Amino acid sequence: GQNIDQPTEMTATEGAIVQINCTYQTSGFNGLFWYQQHAGEAPTFLSYNVLDGLEEKGRFSSFLSRSKGYSYLLLKELQMKDSASYLCAVRDREDSNYQLIWGAGTKLIIKP
Amino acid sequence: ETGVTQTPRHLVMGMTNKKSLKCEQHLGHNAMYWYKQSAKKPLELMFVYNFKEQTENNSVPSRFSPECPNSSHLFLHLHTLQPEDSALYLCASSQDLWVGNQPQHFGDGTRLSIL
Repeated sequence: GQNIDQPTEMTATEGAIVQINCTYQTSGFNGLFWYQQHAGEAPTFLSYNVLDGLEEKGRFSSFLSRSKGYSYLLLKELQMKDSASYLCAVRDREDSNYQLIWGAGTKLIIKP
Repeated sequence: ETGVTQTPRHLVMGMTNKKSLKCEQHLGHNAMYWYKQSAKKPLELMFVYNFKEQTENNSVPSRFSPECPNSSHLFLHLHTLQPEDSALYLCASSQDLWVGNQPQHFGDGTRLSIL
């Protein structure tokens, strides 16, 4: 079956570092996406991983291990505006349209 | 500004009403999607269109009827909805369906409440 797991909620302090984990089970992995969604707004694309390793983009980095079915999103130098939900999604090539399988999202709360 | 515009932002309707949600993308994309987002649940894919043709209907009840007149516009017609249909309805677009690294671009959604 297909399944994506990520923590429901996390809390971190402004200026600190936080790691949001995502584990997945799919029959035909074809890439993993991270999105950020502020309350009442559109999900916006953050990163894409298809090969093992770390992809860095400013304060945000995303890591993938295909053998472990595992990814994480690392946020450094946290700012209050980083308070949002973070969605993990996996593309499955076993689906006829290569559609995305979504996690339920991790709500990140940043405290001063 | 994501390049995907949804109207209305909020909609309250009775179970016997008929209403439509509208989505327009200004990105020149070929694929468009409707998703349902309920609190603390994963995004649920409802419909997919590619070059105006419907390619996916994820067992969505017939009270939801999509329409895609061209690659830039997508509608979701609503009729005799149920209280459990209250949710955020998100529209998205992507350049193509099958290119692995192409992200989907989302609109801000329509918050739908069924009385």
